[in-house]
Amino acid sequence: QTVVTQEPSLTVSPGGTVTLTCASSTGAVTSGYYPNWFQQKPGQAPRALIYSTSNKHSWTPARFSGSLLGGKAALTLSGVQPEDEAEYYCLLYYGGARIFGGGTKLTVL
Amino acid sequence: QVQLQESGPGLVKPSETLSLTCTVSGGSVSSGSYYWSWIRQPPGKGLEWIGYIYYSGSTNYNPSLKSRVTISVDTSKNQFSLKLSSVTAADTAVYYCARDYRGYSGTRHYYMDVWGKGTTVTVSS
Repeated sequence: QTVVTQEPSLTVSPGGTVTLTCASSTGAVTSGYYPNWFQQKPGQAPRALIYSTSNKHSWTPARFSGSLLGGKAALTLSGVQPEDEAEYYCLLYYGGARIFGGGTKLTVL
Repeated sequence: QVQLQESGPGLVKPSETLSLTCTVSGGSVSSGSYYWSWIRQPPGKGLEWIGYIYYSGSTNYNPSLKSRVTISVDTSKNQFSLKLSSVTAADTAVYYCARDYRGYSGTRHYYMDVWGKGTTVTVSS
C-alpha cells in the first residue's frame, strides 16, 4: 500500500515564505510522478494550483511555485497572504493510479 | 468553460449501492485528452481517488475499492457515473467528479483541473 505523506500542519506569518513537501513511501519523488498541488478552503472543492512538478495553471497566483526538493515534491508560497490559509493536497501519479497526500493545514498567523 | 455537476441521492442505506452521476457541460466527455475521475472526502479527512474512466470505456480503480466500484460513461448524455456497492458508514463522504487531463506538449503532463462542487452522501439506516 503506497502512502503519500505531507506535513499535517504549518504556520506562517503574513508576507513570509513557507514550503510544503510531499513524500512517497516508494522512494524519491521524481518528475515522473507528475506532482500536482491543490488548495482547498472549507466547504469548497479543491482548486488546482500546480501540475507536473512546477507548471502553473492560468489562474495560479505568481506567489505559488512547485519544485523537487530532497527527494520530495515541494510547494513554496512566497509573500503569503491571509487568503492563503487553507488545506493543501499533493497528488502523485503512479502509472494509472493516483494517490493524494494526507494534506497540510496551512495557518497564516 | 467546462463545468462538472454531481447528482444523486444524499442518503444511502448500509449494504446498498451508492449511485452518482457527473454531468459535463461546456465540453465533451468524448474528448481524447481527458480521463474522468471520481474522488471522495470523508468528513474532516483527506482526498481519496476512487477511479477514472476514458470515453472509450476503459477504467482504472483504486485497489482498495476495486471490488466494489464501477465507473461508466454515457457519451450521448455527456455524463459519467459511479456505483459503489455494499456501502457502510465508512463510505460517508463528499464525492467529487473531476476532469483528469493526460496530454503532451513537448513533455507529458497530467493534471485534474476542473472539479465539480461535490455532493454529500451519507450512509445511514
